[in-house]
Parts: sequence; structure tokens; C-alpha cells
Amino acid sequence: EDQVTQSPEALRLQEGESSSLNCSYTVSGLRGLFWYRQDPGKGPEFLFTLYSAGEEKEKERLKATLTKKESFLHITAPKPEDSATYLCAVATSGNQFYFGTGTSLTVIP
Amino acid sequence: GAVVSQHPSRVICKSGTSVKIECRSLDFQATTMFWYRQFPKKSLMLMATSNEGSKATYEQGVEKDKFLINHASLTLSTLTVTSAHPEDSSFYICSARHDRNPYNEQFFGPGTRLTVL
Repeated sequence: EDQVTQSPEALRLQEGESSSLNCSYTVSGLRGLFWYRQDPGKGPEFLFTLYSAGEEKEKERLKATLTKKESFLHITAPKPEDSATYLCAVATSGNQFYFGTGTSLTVIP
Repeated sequence: GAVVSQHPSRVICKSGTSVKIECRSLDFQATTMFWYRQFPKKSLMLMATSNEGSKATYEQGVEKDKFLINHASLTLSTLTVTSAHPEDSSFYICSARHDRNPYNEQFFGPGTRLTVL
């Protein structure tokens, strides 16, 4: 059964304290893995697409990596404005799209 | 690029009335659009897949007659909540998939907050 799991469910960091968010997936035929950021009361904002194991993408303080089983979103020296819910999603070769349940990140000044 | 808009952003209506929400891809064509519903502090729940020129595909448990979807052009899909009731109050989000992108990224609208009194 196709499945996408994110951990932790919630994460509190001090400003400047680097950490990683995890997205584990079990799908039949990965077409792409996506990371989104969602602020309260808004739609998800697209961050990254990863297509194959070993791929990495970076944007400001965020870096996404992909293996055959999971993806990590590394946050380096986070700032309070990085506080949001981070969602990962997977597209399969069967044209299915699965979302994880998200990680709620709070960065404390 | 890849901007998706939704209108209205917020709507309050009386029980029994119908509400239409529009989803537009502003700078790309999207044969396929998606409608999601999100409850507080929960992830997105796919309601239906909207296909231009054909009938929408609804997820299990979503009432077709309750949530009418029309994908009239390559840049516009509408969701109509018919005879709305308080339990239909929720945050509705649409997304669009770029026709030329083979990797299936979905780009999301800003969402519509529906409150049914």
C-alpha cells in the first residue's frame, strides 16, 4: 500500500538551531517527491521537487535530499519566519499523489 | 510562473444556499486541477480531480451531487457547494498541474475559507 509518513509531527527550535524533517515513503514507482510550506490560513507554497535518489536541492536556509526510502528537509540556522507547517508529497507512476500529514515547525527567537 | 488564484478567499453563507469557488491557473495551462479540503491542524484531503472537458473524478466518500465541479477551460475550474450546511464549513484549496510538466508538481491556490451559518 502506498504511504507517506512525516516525522516529527511537531518541532520546536531555538533560532539558529539547525535540524531536519523526515518524509518516509513507500510507493509503487516514484515519479517525484515534493516539499511544500504552508502558513496558517493559506495554501501550500511549493518549495522543491526531487526526482531521483541522491538528488539535492537548496533554497536559502533549506536543503532537501532524497534516498530510495525517504527525504529530508534540512533547516540550517532557522529564523522565526521559517515557522510553518512543512508538507511532503509524492507522485507515483500511476498518477497518484499522496500527502504526508506535515511537520509543524516553530522557531523561537 | 505557476501561479494559481482562488476566489473568493473567504465566504460566509446561510445554510441551504449554494456557494461557488473559482480556481484559476494564471500563467499556465492546466488540463488537470484538484480540489482539497483541509480541517484545522490536519493535512489536505483530496476531494476530486477536475479534468478539462470531462467529468470530475471524486474520491471515495465525497458526494458528487453535493460538490459540483466544472472544468470549463484550461485555466479555470469551479467547485460549487450545493445546499451548504454547517458541516461543510472548512478550508477549500485547489491546485493545478502544469500540462507541460511531466513530474506532476501541483501548484496550490491560496484557499477559500467557507463558513456556513
